[in-house]
Amino acid sequence: QPVLTQPTSLSASPGASARITCTLRSGDNVATYRIYWYQQKPGSLPRYLLKYKSDSDNRLGSGVPSRFSGSKDASTNAGLLLISGLQSEDEADYYCAIWYSSSYWVFGGGTKLTVL
Amino acid sequence: QVQLQQWGAGLLKPSETLSLTCAVYGGSFSDYWWIWIRQPPGKGLEWIGEINHSGSTDYNPSLKSRVTMSVDTSKNQFSLNLTSVTAADTAMYYCTSRLVGTGFDPWGQGTLVTVSS
Repeated sequence: QPVLTQPTSLSASPGASARITCTLRSGDNVATYRIYWYQQKPGSLPRYLLKYKSDSDNRLGSGVPSRFSGSKDASTNAGLLLISGLQSEDEADYYCAIWYSSSYWVFGGGTKLTVL
Repeated sequence: QVQLQQWGAGLLKPSETLSLTCAVYGGSFSDYWWIWIRQPPGKGLEWIGEINHSGSTDYNPSLKSRVTMSVDTSKNQFSLNLTSVTAADTAMYYCTSRLVGTGFDPWGQGTLVTVSS
Protein backbone atom coordinates (compact mmCIF):
# COMPACT_ATOMS: atom_id res chain seq x y z
CA GLN A 1 0.00 0.00 0.00
CA PRO A 2 1.54 3.35 -0.98
CA VAL A 3 2.28 5.84 1.77
CA LEU A 4 0.21 8.53 0.03
CA THR A 5 -2.71 7.87 -2.30
CA GLN A 6 -4.29 10.48 -4.55
CA PRO A 7 -7.13 10.09 -7.02
CA THR A 8 -5.77 9.79 -10.55
CA SER A 9 -8.06 12.44 -11.94
CA LEU A 10 -10.70 14.96 -11.02
CA SER A 11 -12.94 17.22 -13.06
CA ALA A 12 -14.68 20.40 -12.06
CA SER A 13 -16.33 23.35 -13.72
CA PRO A 14 -14.99 26.88 -14.00
CA GLY A 15 -15.98 28.92 -10.97
CA ALA A 16 -16.63 25.84 -8.87
CA SER A 17 -14.44 24.44 -6.12
CA ALA A 18 -12.15 21.43 -6.28
CA ARG A 19 -11.11 19.15 -3.43
CA ILE A 20 -8.07 16.96 -4.00
CA THR A 21 -7.41 14.27 -1.44
CA CYS A 22 -4.11 12.82 -0.28
CA THR A 23 -4.78 9.78 1.87
CA LEU A 24 -2.16 8.52 4.27
CA ARG A 25 -1.88 4.77 4.53
CA SER A 26 -3.49 2.94 7.37
CA GLY A 27 -1.40 2.93 10.52
CA ASP A 28 -0.05 6.42 9.99
CA ASN A 29 -1.90 9.39 11.46
CA VAL A 30 -2.39 12.37 9.17
CA ALA A 31 -2.61 14.66 12.19
CA THR A 32 1.12 14.27 12.79
CA TYR A 33 2.20 15.27 9.32
CA ARG A 34 2.69 18.57 7.57
CA ILE A 35 1.44 18.10 4.03
CA TYR A 36 2.97 19.99 1.12
CA TRP A 37 1.20 20.56 -2.19
CA TYR A 38 2.65 21.16 -5.64
CA GLN A 39 1.19 22.09 -8.99
CA GLN A 40 2.66 21.05 -12.32
CA LYS A 41 1.32 22.23 -15.63
CA PRO A 42 2.19 20.33 -18.82
CA GLY A 43 5.74 20.97 -19.89
CA SER A 44 6.46 23.12 -16.84
CA LEU A 45 8.38 22.84 -13.62
CA PRO A 46 6.57 21.83 -10.45
CA ARG A 47 5.45 24.78 -8.37
CA TYR A 48 5.23 24.81 -4.61
CA LEU A 49 1.72 25.83 -3.52
CA LEU A 50 1.35 25.50 0.23
CA LYS A 51 1.92 23.52 3.37
CA TYR A 52 -0.72 22.48 5.89
CA LYS A 53 -0.52 20.77 9.23
CA SER A 54 -3.27 22.51 11.16
CA ASP A 55 -5.26 25.71 11.14
CA SER A 56 -2.45 27.32 13.12
CA ASP A 57 0.38 25.75 11.14
CA ASN A 58 -0.06 26.40 7.46
CA ARG A 59 1.25 28.78 4.84
CA LEU A 60 0.85 29.60 1.18
CA GLY A 61 3.88 29.61 -1.05
CA SER A 62 5.17 32.86 -2.46
CA GLY A 63 2.81 34.34 -5.02
CA VAL A 64 0.18 31.62 -4.65
CA PRO A 65 -3.38 32.95 -4.86
CA SER A 66 -5.55 32.71 -1.77
CA ARG A 67 -7.96 30.56 -3.79
CA PHE A 68 -5.67 27.71 -2.83
CA SER A 69 -5.86 26.35 0.70
CA GLY A 70 -5.15 23.22 2.66
CA SER A 71 -7.06 21.19 5.16
CA LYS A 72 -7.31 17.72 6.63
CA ASP A 73 -10.06 15.16 7.03
CA ALA A 74 -9.27 13.12 10.09
CA SER A 75 -12.13 10.72 9.41
CA THR A 76 -10.49 9.55 6.19
CA ASN A 77 -6.88 10.16 7.30
CA ALA A 78 -6.39 12.53 4.39
CA GLY A 79 -4.85 15.85 3.58
CA LEU A 80 -6.86 18.11 1.31
CA LEU A 81 -6.02 20.70 -1.31
CA LEU A 82 -8.93 23.05 -1.82
CA ILE A 83 -9.19 25.31 -4.83
CA SER A 84 -12.04 27.78 -4.99
CA GLY A 85 -13.23 29.80 -7.96
CA LEU A 86 -11.65 27.41 -10.44
CA GLN A 87 -10.05 28.93 -13.50
CA SER A 88 -8.87 27.30 -16.69
CA GLU A 89 -5.30 28.06 -15.64
CA ASP A 90 -5.74 25.74 -12.64
CA GLU A 91 -5.81 22.75 -14.97
CA ALA A 92 -2.71 20.84 -13.96
CA ASP A 93 -1.31 17.88 -12.08
CA TYR A 94 -1.27 18.24 -8.32
CA TYR A 95 1.05 16.37 -5.97
CA CYS A 96 1.10 16.05 -2.20
CA ALA A 97 4.24 15.24 -0.23
CA ILE A 98 5.24 14.54 3.35
CA TRP A 99 8.44 14.04 5.29
CA TYR A 100 7.71 10.47 6.20
CA SER A 101 8.74 8.75 9.38
CA SER A 102 11.30 11.50 10.01
CA SER A 103 13.41 9.89 7.34
CA TYR A 104 12.54 10.68 3.76
CA TRP A 105 10.19 12.59 1.53
CA VAL A 106 7.31 10.80 -0.13
CA PHE A 107 5.11 12.09 -2.93
CA GLY A 108 1.60 11.04 -3.75
CA GLY A 109 1.03 9.70 -7.24
CA GLY A 110 -0.52 12.93 -8.46
CA THR A 111 -4.01 14.06 -9.47
CA LYS A 112 -4.82 15.42 -12.90
CA LEU A 113 -7.31 18.25 -12.51
CA THR A 114 -9.41 19.08 -15.53
CA VAL A 115 -11.40 22.31 -15.58
CA LEU A 116 -14.24 22.06 -18.06
CA GLN B 1 16.27 34.90 -4.14
CA VAL B 2 17.78 31.51 -4.93
CA GLN B 3 18.13 30.45 -8.54
CA LEU B 4 19.28 27.02 -9.66
CA GLN B 5 20.98 25.95 -12.86
CA GLN B 6 21.73 22.31 -13.51
CA TRP B 7 23.69 20.31 -16.04
CA GLY B 8 24.92 16.83 -16.82
CA ALA B 9 24.96 14.08 -19.40
CA GLY B 10 21.61 13.40 -21.00
CA LEU B 11 22.26 10.02 -22.62
CA LEU B 12 23.71 7.05 -20.77
CA LYS B 13 24.15 3.36 -21.45
CA PRO B 14 22.97 0.75 -18.97
CA SER B 15 25.40 0.23 -16.08
CA GLU B 16 26.91 3.70 -16.44
CA THR B 17 26.85 6.36 -13.76
CA LEU B 18 24.52 9.33 -13.92
CA SER B 19 26.19 12.57 -12.82
CA LEU B 20 24.40 15.88 -12.47
CA THR B 21 25.44 19.17 -10.92
CA CYS B 22 23.34 22.10 -9.76
CA ALA B 23 24.72 25.60 -9.25
CA VAL B 24 23.14 27.91 -6.72
CA TYR B 25 22.87 31.63 -7.31
CA GLY B 26 21.71 34.00 -4.62
CA GLY B 27 20.61 33.19 -1.12
CA SER B 28 22.74 31.75 1.64
CA PHE B 29 24.05 28.32 0.69
CA SER B 30 24.21 27.20 4.30
CA ASP B 31 20.56 27.97 5.01
CA TYR B 32 19.09 25.37 2.67
CA TRP B 33 18.72 21.70 2.07
CA TRP B 34 19.64 20.83 -1.52
CA ILE B 35 17.50 18.24 -3.21
CA TRP B 36 17.25 16.01 -6.27
CA ILE B 37 13.88 14.85 -7.57
CA ARG B 38 13.10 12.89 -10.70
CA GLN B 39 10.08 12.32 -12.89
CA PRO B 40 9.89 9.49 -15.42
CA PRO B 41 8.11 10.41 -18.64
CA GLY B 42 4.37 10.63 -18.03
CA LYS B 43 4.71 9.68 -14.38
CA GLY B 44 4.87 11.31 -10.98
CA LEU B 45 7.57 12.89 -8.85
CA GLU B 46 10.09 10.84 -6.91
CA TRP B 47 12.38 12.30 -4.26
CA ILE B 48 15.93 11.01 -4.67
CA GLY B 49 17.61 12.63 -1.71
CA GLU B 50 18.91 15.77 -0.11
CA ILE B 51 22.08 17.25 1.31
CA ASN B 52 22.97 20.28 3.36
CA HIS B 53 26.00 22.53 3.33
CA SER B 54 27.90 20.37 5.79
CA GLY B 55 27.35 17.24 3.75
CA SER B 56 24.64 15.61 5.82
CA THR B 57 22.45 13.51 3.57
CA ASP B 58 19.16 11.66 3.45
CA TYR B 59 18.37 9.34 0.59
CA ASN B 60 15.32 7.56 -0.74
CA PRO B 61 15.52 4.06 0.70
CA SER B 62 14.71 2.57 -2.70
CA LEU B 63 17.74 4.26 -4.29
CA LYS B 64 20.10 4.53 -1.35
CA SER B 65 22.47 1.79 -2.50
CA ARG B 66 23.18 3.61 -5.77
CA VAL B 67 23.01 7.30 -4.80
CA THR B 68 25.71 9.66 -3.65
CA MET B 69 25.24 13.39 -3.19
CA SER B 70 27.95 15.92 -2.53
CA VAL B 71 28.37 19.66 -2.07
CA ASP B 72 31.09 22.08 -3.09
CA THR B 73 30.64 25.07 -0.83
CA SER B 74 33.46 26.96 -2.55
CA LYS B 75 31.44 26.97 -5.76
CA ASN B 76 27.92 26.90 -4.26
CA GLN B 77 27.19 23.71 -6.13
CA PHE B 78 25.79 20.33 -5.28
CA SER B 79 25.88 17.10 -7.24
CA LEU B 80 24.16 13.78 -7.75
CA ASN B 81 25.71 10.48 -8.73
CA LEU B 82 23.53 7.48 -9.47
CA THR B 83 25.39 4.30 -10.30
CA SER B 84 24.47 1.28 -12.40
CA VAL B 85 21.66 2.99 -14.28
CA THR B 86 19.02 1.07 -16.18
CA ALA B 87 16.16 2.07 -18.44
CA ALA B 88 14.06 2.50 -15.29
CA ASP B 89 16.23 5.50 -14.40
CA THR B 90 15.16 7.35 -17.53
CA ALA B 91 13.54 10.52 -16.24
CA MET B 92 13.62 14.28 -15.99
CA TYR B 93 15.90 15.09 -13.08
CA TYR B 94 15.36 18.28 -11.12
CA CYS B 95 17.43 20.02 -8.52
CA THR B 96 15.55 22.07 -5.97
CA SER B 97 15.93 23.45 -2.49
CA ARG B 98 14.08 23.97 0.72
CA LEU B 99 14.43 25.80 3.96
CA VAL B 100 13.54 23.92 7.12
CA GLY B 101 9.75 23.74 7.30
CA THR B 102 9.13 24.92 3.76
CA GLY B 103 8.42 23.21 0.47
CA PHE B 104 10.66 22.59 -2.50
CA ASP B 105 11.25 25.94 -4.13
CA PRO B 106 12.72 27.02 -6.49
CA TRP B 107 13.47 24.33 -9.06
CA GLY B 108 16.21 23.96 -11.59
CA GLN B 109 15.28 23.79 -15.23
CA GLY B 110 15.45 20.01 -15.31
CA THR B 111 17.70 17.60 -17.20
CA LEU B 112 16.25 14.76 -19.24
CA VAL B 113 18.38 11.69 -18.71
CA THR B 114 17.79 8.79 -21.07
CA VAL B 115 19.29 5.37 -20.46
CA SER B 116 19.51 3.32 -23.61
CA SER B 117 21.87 0.85 -25.15
